[in-house]
Amino acid sequence: QVTLRESGPALVKTTQTITLTCTFSGFSLSTSGMFVSWIRQPPGKALEWLALIDWRGDKYYNASLNTRLTISTDTSKNEVVLTMTNMDPVDTATYYCARIPPGGKASGLGFDYWGQGALVTVSS
Amino acid sequence: SYELTQPPSMSVSPGQTASITCSGDKLGNKYACWYQLRSGQSPLLLIYQDDQRPSGIPERFSGSNSGNTATLTISGTQTMDEADYYCQAWDSSTPIFGGGTKLTVL
Repeated sequence: QVTLRESGPALVKTTQTITLTCTFSGFSLSTSGMFVSWIRQPPGKALEWLALIDWRGDKYYNASLNTRLTISTDTSKNEVVLTMTNMDPVDTATYYCARIPPGGKASGLGFDYWGQGALVTVSS
Repeated sequence: SYELTQPPSMSVSPGQTASITCSGDKLGNKYACWYQLRSGQSPLLLIYQDDQRPSGIPERFSGSNSGNTATLTISGTQTMDEADYYCQAWDSSTPIFGGGTKLTVL
């Protein structure tokens, strides 16, 4: 059974750095073709893709945020970590991690499993 | 940068058919996916590879993609289908989401 769960601080202050952890089970990020991604949704707004890491450790970032984001993985712990610097109230959102199964990126398989989301509020 | 455009909202009567569009340059040359986001829940993959349903997704959800437009069709819409719907495609190596469509069933 595939599960993902996000964890991290619910409240941060402006300019702080936040670290969010996605702990997953039921699959291995070492499996060829596997991806884990971070996506967020500000209140009342659309889904926004943030970052992606693949089974080789290759990383991809939203171009508008890439100077603030770092994605990493600890395969021994089945975790994917997202760090976001210089937090601002506009970064208030529910942050999701989600999986793309092997072959998904090239074959259009989509994000097939999502975590329940972690609400992060940034106060000024 | 690549953009996907959806109507912000639409409404449908129960039992009727809802068609939600997603437009992007030559979108038909890419694969489109659709997600349902109900209030307080995580996104749910409804359609992948333009027209494929994951296991457990009701047959009333279908998809198509041609030219510049992908379409999610909900046949026999139920009140439980009231939700936000997002399309998604890949541009180079990054996923792009549409702006979402709020579907009201009344």
